[in-house]
Amino acid sequence: EAGVTQSPTHLIKTRGQQVTLRCSPISGHTSVYWYQQALGLGLQFLLWYDEGEERNRGNFPPRFSGRQFPNYSSELNVNALELEDSALYLCASILSGRAVNTQYFGPGTRLTVL
Amino acid sequence: GENVEQHPSTLSVQEGDSAVIKCTYSDSASNYFPWYKQELGKRPQLIIDIRSNVGEKKDQRIAVTLNKTAKHFSLHITETQPEDSAVYFCAARFSSGYSTLTFGKGTMLLVSP
Repeated sequence: EAGVTQSPTHLIKTRGQQVTLRCSPISGHTSVYWYQQALGLGLQFLLWYDEGEERNRGNFPPRFSGRQFPNYSSELNVNALELEDSALYLCASILSGRAVNTQYFGPGTRLTVL
Repeated sequence: GENVEQHPSTLSVQEGDSAVIKCTYSDSASNYFPWYKQELGKRPQLIIDIRSNVGEKKDQRIAVTLNKTAKHFSLHITETQPEDSAVYFCAARFSSGYSTLTFGKGTMLLVSP
């Protein structure tokens, strides 16, 4: 069974640009979480998509947004990039967002903002 | 707000020693507490979890204990090995967030041969 995949693996952008990150969940999983992992700050919850809908978002500004497609893959968009957006962005998939299930993480996308 | 505090931030032990990492949480209605291990450059992976109706769970050299009254849970690793070196994250599922997890800031465990 294939695990969670993310693309691209690395990305370098400059301040003010926009970026799109992609995540494909494990087959059969309908729920996707996005996290930001900045150095020394652990995993900060960004967004939760479940069956195509945004269900919850963390304490991040509106320039962080995303969507989930009918095949349950997901995109994270970050507009007007700032230096402090440099981080590892992880997505995790879960069998169903409406129950207590294990979150399985992807390998992440390393974003560097110059 | 919902919060998970994790201590210590770094932990150095000799191979064969035990390691203990402790987390406290703020929501007494929390009912699910997973632990993740993240090796350098790799994705976080679940190593053990516990639900609120259980006080302790073991899996070989790893155990987790939960004290609901005190609102804390701990990861215990016995007979540590160099390959246990990694960052460990605790997390809690709060009653308000469906499956959303709130993570601690992580503990870097270094096991010296």
